Amino acid sequence: DGGITQSPKYLFRKEGQNVTLSCEQNLNHDAMYWYRQDPGQGLRLIYYSQIVNDFQKGDIAEGYSVSREKKESFPLTVTSAQKNPTAFYLCASSINGVKGEKLFFGSGTQLSVL
Amino acid sequence: DQQVKQNSPSLSVQEGRISILNCDYTNSMFDYFLWYKKYPAEGPTFLISISSIKDKNEDGRFTVFLNKSAKHLSLHIVPSQPGDSAVYFCAASAKGGTSYGKLTFGQGTILTVHP
Repeated sequence: DGGITQSPKYLFRKEGQNVTLSCEQNLNHDAMYWYRQDPGQGLRLIYYSQIVNDFQKGDIAEGYSVSREKKESFPLTVTSAQKNPTAFYLCASSINGVKGEKLFFGSGTQLSVL
Repeated sequence: DQQVKQNSPSLSVQEGRISILNCDYTNSMFDYFLWYKKYPAEGPTFLISISSIKDKNEDGRFTVFLNKSAKHLSLHIVPSQPGDSAVYFCAASAKGGTSYGKLTFGQGTILTVHP
C-alpha cells in the first residue's frame, strides 16, 4: 500500500530539547511538505521540498529545521528555539510540487511540551 | 492575516439533508481551490477541487460552487450521511510567484451529521 507514514503518533518534548518528527513516503513523489495545525486555526506551512537536497522555508519556519537527503524521507526537527511547539504536525507529499496538485497527507504527530 | 476564512466553526445537519459549508477568501491571486476532509487524529484527505475558470464542479454527492466576484466558495453535500461527520478544510493556491504546491488553509468547519 502506497502512502505517507509519520512517526511517532505522540511525542513529548522537554524544555530546551530538540525533537525530530519522521515522515516517510513510498508514493515516489518529488515534493514533500510540513504543516502545523493549531486548534481553531488552519494548517500553516513550515517547510517544503520540491526535490532531493533542496528545501524552502514556508510561512512559519522559525524554530524548525528539515533535511531531504532521500526522496522518500523528509524529517522535521523542532528545535529549542521554537517557543510554542505544542501542535499537531502533518507531513504531506505531491507528485511534482507544482501549483494545483493534490496533497497527500500522513496521519500526523501530536507534539506536546512537558 | 487570514486569507482563507471559514466563519462557521461547526455545522449540524440531519442525515439525508443537505450540508453547505462556506469559505471566503481575500487574496484575488487565488485561482485554485480545494476541499479536504479530516477525521480526528488523521491527516486530511482530498475531497474535491475547482479552478477559477469554472463556477461549479461536481463529484457524486459533493459539489463545489465558486463565486469569484464575491470571493466565496461553498461545498454542498447531498444527501448528508453520518460518515460525512468530520472537519472540512477549504484551501487555496495562488497564481504567479513561485509555482509550488503551497496551499493556504481555512480554519476548518466541524460537520456533524445526525442519524
